[in-house]
Amino acid sequence: DTGVSQDPRHKITKRGQNVTFRCDPISEHNRLYWYRQTLGQGPEFLTYFQNEAQLEKSRLLSDRFSAERPKGSFSTLEIQRTEQGDSAMYLCASSLRVDTEAFFGQGTRLTVV
Amino acid sequence: DQQVKQNSPSLSVQEGRISILNCDYTNSMFDYFLWYKKYPAEGPTFLISISSIKDKNEDGRFTVFLNKSAKHLSLHIVPSQPGDSAVYFCAASAPYSGAGSYQLTFGKGTKLSVIP
Repeated sequence: DTGVSQDPRHKITKRGQNVTFRCDPISEHNRLYWYRQTLGQGPEFLTYFQNEAQLEKSRLLSDRFSAERPKGSFSTLEIQRTEQGDSAMYLCASSLRVDTEAFFGQGTRLTVV
Repeated sequence: DQQVKQNSPSLSVQEGRISILNCDYTNSMFDYFLWYKKYPAEGPTFLISISSIKDKNEDGRFTVFLNKSAKHLSLHIVPSQPGDSAVYFCAASAPYSGAGSYQLTFGKGTKLSVIP
């Protein structure tokens, strides 16, 4: 399978705990994006990487959120001190260029209890 | 302020007929548009895209029309099949605008039901 891979698919955590998600993009894609989707809404942009550089961040990405892409390949998204409002589907996508389609992974469903 | 709007939350169409999904946008910097299809508990799947230099793009049963003056695009599916039943998202970005923003802005989606 050469698509975008996300791990884990599901995560249940207690409020206040830290969680980390991983995304492996399509291998030749140097652009990587994180989005968040809640029920009844479209995906909302969180952050964008070109290679290892984080070039764009949404105001949705509070200081409890941090994303990295250390070697320009896989990426991690960490949420510290999780809150119930963080419960959502976290989606990763990658693209070859900014004017080509982004391919999405299956997402990580986070539930904060 | 929602920059991409899909005003129809749902649409039901008979199998074999045409499905037309609509999308409006407000940001005049948008110059690249995409449609995605999404099944429950899965990530969005890319369907078709169009850049602002075109007014139509076709791929098999799917055609996207862009009306820049009206800031409106539509997705036509002909003929509709039961397997097309899913939520369809319209998305827009501004890769050519020089604004340095490459994020996709999505609408809230339209749930399409194709009735056999």
